Amino acid sequence: NFMLTQPHSVSESPGKTVTISCTGSSGSIASNDVHWSQQRPGSAPTTVIYDNYERPSGVPDRFSGSIDSSSNSASLTISGLRTEDEADYYCQSFDSLNHLWVFGGGTKLTVL
Amino acid sequence: QVQLVESGGGVVQPGRSLRLSCAASGFMFRGYAMHWVRQAPGKGLEWVAAIIYDGSNKYHADPVKGRFTISRDNSRNMLYLQMNSLKIEDTAVYYCARAWTDWGQGTLVTVSS
Repeated sequence: NFMLTQPHSVSESPGKTVTISCTGSSGSIASNDVHWSQQRPGSAPTTVIYDNYERPSGVPDRFSGSIDSSSNSASLTISGLRTEDEADYYCQSFDSLNHLWVFGGGTKLTVL
Repeated sequence: QVQLVESGGGVVQPGRSLRLSCAASGFMFRGYAMHWVRQAPGKGLEWVAAIIYDGSNKYHADPVKGRFTISRDNSRNMLYLQMNSLKIEDTAVYYCARAWTDWGQGTLVTVSS
């Protein structure tokens, strides 16, 4: 089955920029939309990027999404890091062959 | 604004059944595909099931196929997850989600003897 691989953890200092990758195991990640959710400790997930690079209302433009077909990966970039950005981030997409939806394993972002 | 409110969670013995509900408001429910996603304690997010806008097509993840059934009632703006033959490994917080922009707060299901 199609899988999405994310780094287990990343860390960066406040005010800096961090990029979290999400690599597809097969096929073309550009074939289906990729979505990103944020989950702070003890809270439900919220969407920060949907349809590859769209931001829901209320999500600051410090959050951006992109697709790189050459590496079969999607990325979430957060600029001007704040301590409140510290959370788990999950990418998610669709496995067309098996008609299933798939989440990456999640990346723990530490802002220190 | 969009609201998704799950209910129906609780403690249940292995092999028993439970039905989760998700009350939707703030958007045209009948126009959207809906999903159930779960999160076991200390683990990541796992997609469970999806249903398209009119309920004519449903999809279930392999671990729950044949045991769980997703359904919806567009006249009541409600999403459901019927869970049968529950296993200990089904213990998780279950979230409903409007694909893929909005999430509920979740309901905890604990399967334990």
